[in-house]
Amino acid sequence: DTGVSQNPRHKITKRGQNVTFRCDPISEHNRLYWYRQTLGQGPEFLTYFQNEAQLEKSRLLSDRFSAERPKGSFSTLEIQRTEQGDSAMYLCASAARDIPYEQYFGPGTRLTVT
Amino acid sequence: AQSVTQLGSHVSVSEGALVLLRCNYSSSVPPYLFWYVQYPNQGLQLLLKYTSAATLVKGINGFEAEFKKSETSFHLTKPSAHMSDAAEYFCAVTPSGAGSYQLTFGKGTKLSVIP
Repeated sequence: DTGVSQNPRHKITKRGQNVTFRCDPISEHNRLYWYRQTLGQGPEFLTYFQNEAQLEKSRLLSDRFSAERPKGSFSTLEIQRTEQGDSAMYLCASAARDIPYEQYFGPGTRLTVT
Repeated sequence: AQSVTQLGSHVSVSEGALVLLRCNYSSSVPPYLFWYVQYPNQGLQLLLKYTSAATLVKGINGFEAEFKKSETSFHLTKPSAHMSDAAEYFCAVTPSGAGSYQLTFGKGTKLSVIP
């Protein structure tokens, strides 16, 4: 069990560019979550997958954001036409079927939009 | 709907002193409650959780927290602070029962430990 991994760890992009982040959950965890954390704030929920199905999306997830988990394993989060306000830490978490409320977090991807 | 209020964005304690980090929650249904710790440039690590069993829960690194329904509180304590406890601490809530178990976090409390 290597824990939740996220790549890249850091991303600097120019406004208007598209970016994609990857999350690999703990093996056999069927639940996967994306959160966003801005400076001085706690993480905020973005979206949730159970297996490959995206079951919930926050109002924070604008049309420029899309997330996928095509085979129920890794997930990607894409941001199109990035804006400076998208600068944040993007955190991924996973949870097991038998303890669904216990989420384990990855190290995060820090996005800076210039 | 759920919400979490953490009193004190920054708490300083001397090494060896009691650590007390405050968390109050609001939830329309019975909650599950969590404390997470975050070190600089890292993700969140689960310290402890309350899931409607014992109201006093013990976690890793000597931390514990007590669920008080009447006060809607879930304060985090540690009898004796260590330098390695310096980090940011987040309290989080989710509704118990079936559902997504998405977490609602407080804004965090940064703990400094003075040698």
